[in-house]
Amino acid sequence: NAGVTQTPKFQVLKTGQSMTLQCAQDMNHNSMYWYRQDPGMGLRLIYYSASEGTTDKGEVPNGYNVSRLNKREFSLRLESAAPSQTSVYFCASSEALLEQGRNTEAFFGQGTRLTVV
Amino acid sequence: AQSVTQLGSHVSVSEGALVLLRCNYSSSVPPYLFWYVQYPNQGLQLLLKYTSAATLVKGINGFEAEFKKSETSFHLTKPSAHMSDAAEYFCAVSTGFQKLVFGTGTRLLVSP
Repeated sequence: NAGVTQTPKFQVLKTGQSMTLQCAQDMNHNSMYWYRQDPGMGLRLIYYSASEGTTDKGEVPNGYNVSRLNKREFSLRLESAAPSQTSVYFCASSEALLEQGRNTEAFFGQGTRLTVV
Repeated sequence: AQSVTQLGSHVSVSEGALVLLRCNYSSSVPPYLFWYVQYPNQGLQLLLKYTSAATLVKGINGFEAEFKKSETSFHLTKPSAHMSDAAEYFCAVSTGFQKLVFGTGTRLLVSP
């Protein structure tokens, strides 16, 4: 049982280049998330998908786009990378508890360390 | 809107001493609360969670946390620190389907 799998693990981009970070989960979770982690700032939500076919902006969406390809996969795209996007990116998923009206805990991937030069 | 505040970006303890990491939340509805741990160069791992079943929650590695509604707190404790507890700890809150909101994290340093 792999859980949440992110690819790639490391990436170096030049300013202006584009790339897509891939994420897949095998736990049949409804909700998926993309966070970025920067020193002293904790995890900040970029985008999330509450269910297949829906996506919504989080706290820091500028410069990013997402696609919920199917229930398993949620990708994050940087169209024109900037040095400010140098960060560690985490994908996560969680199960929707319909009767309780909320999600349960999130399960995280191992992260993608992105450097934009 | 829901939010989480973690007091202290760094906490230092000696091996064998009590660990106390503070977390206060803001939520307009009863929250679900979580503590995660992150070891260097790894993802986040769930330590424990509060989902309204019991106010004192026990987690992995000897950690526990108590939900105090009157204080809007969910502090993480461990009676005796071990060197292997050195990591970054994150408190998080969830009140709906949309998302989890994380605190800025507390780095725990354990000295021999």
